Amino acid sequence: GAVVSQHPSRVICKSGTSVKIECRSLDFQATTMFWYRQFPKKSLMLMATSNEGSKATYEQGVEKDKFLINHASLTLSTLTVTSAHPEDSSFYICSARVPISGGTPHFSYEQYFGPGTRLTVT
Amino acid sequence: AQSVAQPEDQVNVAEGNPLTVKCTYSVSGNPYLFWYVQYPNRGLQFLLKYITGDNLVKGSYGFEAEFNKSQTSFHLKKPSALVSDSALYFCAVRDMPALGSGNTGKLIFGQGTTLQVKP
Repeated sequence: GAVVSQHPSRVICKSGTSVKIECRSLDFQATTMFWYRQFPKKSLMLMATSNEGSKATYEQGVEKDKFLINHASLTLSTLTVTSAHPEDSSFYICSARVPISGGTPHFSYEQYFGPGTRLTVT
Repeated sequence: AQSVAQPEDQVNVAEGNPLTVKCTYSVSGNPYLFWYVQYPNRGLQFLLKYITGDNLVKGSYGFEAEFNKSQTSFHLKKPSALVSDSALYFCAVRDMPALGSGNTGKLIFGQGTTLQVKP
């Protein structure tokens, strides 16, 4: 099956530093990946859609200069939290689209999620 | 715009009893509905989806969901709950952009429902 990994699973960094989170599709190529943010016991908030070889599409209210997304290859997307602050502490989850055969124009792919990365900014 | 609502923050069930986690949706056009489960500090795991066809959808770990068009609901069910089913459950709908619009068809999640199964 389609497996999505994230690294690291947990990271603690000091305020003002930057931290990079990797999202990899292990057994398939993903032209599109998604980055979500989840606050404790809350729903997932889509931050941005990452497309291989092009700029990410950010959701309204998400600072693109703070949350840098790079999707340089078909199996890797990275999220870099720049100049991190304690309020950036959260659980970050990536997801990758997997095309499915026999789909319809409206339903031609599945979406698989990574295990998440817990970021704590001190 | 597509949306889903999970009216219960938490559902408590005794082990062995049937469980229901509620979800209602609002969509224009055909709904593509999903259920995911999340264990503490973990990503989301896919349980089941409704695209078309039978209203009763069977999924992983003995879960099933019933699509009810007249009530715009997609409740998650299991005949006999296990303590290990305790987790956070999300209902989601696929946002259906217009064909050719270039939009990606994003998953839109409900607020989540914590299921607590007690021995």
